[in-house]
Amino acid sequence: QVQLVQSGAEVKRPGASVKVSCKASGYIFTAYYMHWVRQAPGQGLEWMGWIYPNTGGTNPAQKFQGRVTMTRDTSISTIYMELTGLTSDDTAVYFCARDLVAWQVRNYFDYWGQGTLVTVSS
Amino acid sequence: ENVLTQSPVTLSLSPGERATLSCRASQSVSSYLAWYQQKPGQAPRLLIYDASNRATGIPARFSGSGSGTDFTLTISSLEPEDFAVYFCQQRSNWPRITFGQGTRLEIK
Repeated sequence: QVQLVQSGAEVKRPGASVKVSCKASGYIFTAYYMHWVRQAPGQGLEWMGWIYPNTGGTNPAQKFQGRVTMTRDTSISTIYMELTGLTSDDTAVYFCARDLVAWQVRNYFDYWGQGTLVTVSS
Repeated sequence: ENVLTQSPVTLSLSPGERATLSCRASQSVSSYLAWYQQKPGQAPRLLIYDASNRATGIPARFSGSGSGTDFTLTISSLEPEDFAVYFCQQRSNWPRITFGQGTRLEIK
């Protein structure tokens, strides 16, 4: 069965960086685009970008360009999302999510990680 | 940015009743719209994609309709486990993928 398991909660100071991991299992890791979506406390969902594990190619949302880096390690079927220059506005639960269809980007998300709470506080 | 506006913000219904949730886009998204269900402390769950296609394992009581700017998610007969928050999401104006602000479906 498809599983996406994310790293644990983080507490960071303003200006710091955070790196969240997402380990995939139960399917061909390189076949599916993977997305990052975040959700501020009590708020809606915000798409951050995708990475294609097959090539390592990425497409960050314009809002996060220059501040987010998405990478992957195919040897351990894991993707990473690093966000720099943290502010209190970055306090949120960060989710990884798999794209719906293999070998193409459809931008719908059918499997999700459990979420990683990142708290930015001085 | 294509803004998705969901209505109502909160919907209070009883089990067995029919639920109708709306999502309106500020620009046409053709049929490139999805619906998700989210329960407290959980990740969202994909229900519907391309406006009307049920995702794998989603019960037939969930259906989606619409195109262009106006979309509807219908739950034909509410089960206790259906009370949750529902989000719509568009992928038409890629790379600007956006979500609606959500409709909370609560037990009356």
